[in-house]
Amino acid sequence: EVHLVESGGGLVQPGGSLRLSCAASGFTFSNYWMHWVRQAPGKGLVWVSRINTDGTSTTYADSVKGRFIFSRDNAKNTVYLQMNSLRADDTAVYYCARADQSAYYFDYWGQGTLVTVSS
Amino acid sequence: DIQMTQSPSSLSASVGDRVTITCRASLDISNSVAWYQQKPGEAPKLLLYAASYLENGVPSRFSGSGSGTDYTLTISSLQPADFATYYCQHYYSSPWTFGQGTKVEIK
Repeated sequence: EVHLVESGGGLVQPGGSLRLSCAASGFTFSNYWMHWVRQAPGKGLVWVSRINTDGTSTTYADSVKGRFIFSRDNAKNTVYLQMNSLRADDTAVYYCARADQSAYYFDYWGQGTLVTVSS
Repeated sequence: DIQMTQSPSSLSASVGDRVTITCRASLDISNSVAWYQQKPGEAPKLLLYAASYLENGVPSRFSGSGSGTDYTLTISSLQPADFATYYCQHYYSSPWTFGQGTKVEIK
């Protein structure tokens, strides 16, 4: 069974940094693109970033480009989201999601981890 | 970027009602649309992909249709478990974008 478990969320001051992790199990991790999607309190879903199977290619939403870094360790079946220069509008639940191998819709999601940016 | 305009933003319906949610893309996305269900405090769950293909384990009362820029999610007979928020999403190209969501509430 596919499982994705996020961790690393918490309270951080504006301008601070945080690293999220997403541990995967139940599938051949290195064969799948992975994504981060976030949801601000009471708001809709917003795509943040994606990474290809070997970590050599990443794409970011304009709102996080230059501040967030998406990486993966296929030996540990884990992806990471390094978030720098955090702002209040980065406050959200962050979900990692697996992309279907052929069509890239998001077929499995983690339970999410809450990031709160506040002084 | 491709915009996904979803409507309505909310609706009230009764158990047994037929419910339709629509999503319009800002350009032809060639059926590269998925629909997700999200309940409060939970992660989104994939319902349909490629506009009309039902994900394994999803009840057959859910169906999808459409082509080009216009897509529809239909619940043929609303059940208590279906009261939730629904999102469309395109995966035609980066950036992947979602519709604004439709909250289905009990009348």
